[in-house]
Amino acid sequence: GAGVSQSPRYKVAKRGQDVALRCDPISGHVSLFWYQQALGQGPEFLTYFQNEAQLDKSGLPSDRFFAERPEGSVSTLKIQRTQQEDSAVYLCASSPPRRVGVNQPQHFGDGTRLSIL
Amino acid sequence: AQSVTQLGSHVSVSEGALVLLRCNYSSSVPPYLFWYVQYPNQGLQLLLKYTSAATLVKGINGFEAEFKKSETSFHLTKPSAHMSDAAEYFCAVRNAYNQGGKLIFGQGTELSVKP
Repeated sequence: GAGVSQSPRYKVAKRGQDVALRCDPISGHVSLFWYQQALGQGPEFLTYFQNEAQLDKSGLPSDRFFAERPEGSVSTLKIQRTQQEDSAVYLCASSPPRRVGVNQPQHFGDGTRLSIL
Repeated sequence: AQSVTQLGSHVSVSEGALVLLRCNYSSSVPPYLFWYVQYPNQGLQLLLKYTSAATLVKGINGFEAEFKKSETSFHLTKPSAHMSDAAEYFCAVRNAYNQGGKLIFGQGTELSVKP
């Protein structure tokens, strides 16, 4: 597809269940980012991949959150033992290869809205 | 460290009136700045970006923003609001030296347009 694709668009889970959220970036984009957007707030950074390497995971709120991108394309964000405070929209973004002096923007998917009951 | 402050969580204008959404940033390194728009139940769409080539940046849908280093500001403007401009707007900053730099977002400003 032409844009960043995320699935599912909506996910409802019971507290304590594990969930997996998928991101399919724009073809050729080496950088991939995950953000968490709480209701009424701006997105907050979770983690960053360059190809298959996870270079920054400083934003992951706890060890219940885990992200992977094994082949440098599709990425999965997994949340184990979900809690109510995990309810949010999870946004994925990708950006093209780095070019010196060029401000490459991040292109966002429509997000996955996660609701924990 | 970097941060963004958007003044006014909600701005309301009449159709045809000037739109002004305020953004101030803090950055210890040269910044790259962005404005994104978010419609309900959608992701973020890039409106414009500042790259240091020009202080006045023109974006899509008639929006523009001016980078003022002395004021650490990057306010978004549009001369004449349209009903379709009603949405949430986010200002964001990242480190210009780090391509992998995460975006730091402001809290957002909800723009309402009255007929």
